[in-house]
Amino acid sequence: GQNIDQPTEMTATEGAIVQINCTYQTSGFNGLFWYQQHAGEAPTFLSYNVLDGLEEKGRFSSFLSRSKGYSYLLLKELQMKDSASYLCAVRGEGGGFKTIFGAGTRLFVKA
Amino acid sequence: GAGVSQSPSNKVTEKGKDVELRCDPISGHTALYWYRQSLGQGLEFLIYFQGNSAPDKSGLPSDRFSAERTGGSVSTLTIQRTQQEDSAVYLCASSLSPGVGDTQYFGPGTRLTVL
Repeated sequence: GQNIDQPTEMTATEGAIVQINCTYQTSGFNGLFWYQQHAGEAPTFLSYNVLDGLEEKGRFSSFLSRSKGYSYLLLKELQMKDSASYLCAVRGEGGGFKTIFGAGTRLFVKA
Repeated sequence: GAGVSQSPSNKVTEKGKDVELRCDPISGHTALYWYRQSLGQGLEFLIYFQGNSAPDKSGLPSDRFSAERTGGSVSTLTIQRTQQEDSAVYLCASSLSPGVGDTQYFGPGTRLTVL
């Protein structure tokens, strides 16, 4: 079976730091992705982790622990434009390249 | 093209009609995915194509759904005898290859409304 859990909504203040958690249970693992999706738009790629540890890319960082089935996305120096949904996705269900997405975390950034 | 394109952008149909949704992936991308996203929900995997290999159809919700990819490029998702619960945004994505770390690039989606 497959299951990806992430909080439904989060609210944070402009300039602050926010951490969005994702836990997963899948029958295979071939990488974990984070995507950003603004309302009414298609998802866009943010980060990719396949090995344990932290990947940093500008204001965004993503962490993976394969043994715990856990990842987080860290957003620093929040800006109003960061208000969006953040989707956690795991590839490898069934040992192939099928990608399963979580329901997404809707982030509201307030002034 | 510069990105993944999908057509039509919006489709309104009556219950029981068949619909075809088209996806043009980025040139040179060998992998193509179809997803469905209902309002306020995450993406639901439907089907995955990779080169000339048999597609992974494990996400198709019923036998009313089918997809083809001709010549390793353009893909068509067909929904027969549409039902109201089929109303959703249908997203297509392509990636260069299904190797480690490949990034999926999404099209703008087709919003399907079944009356």
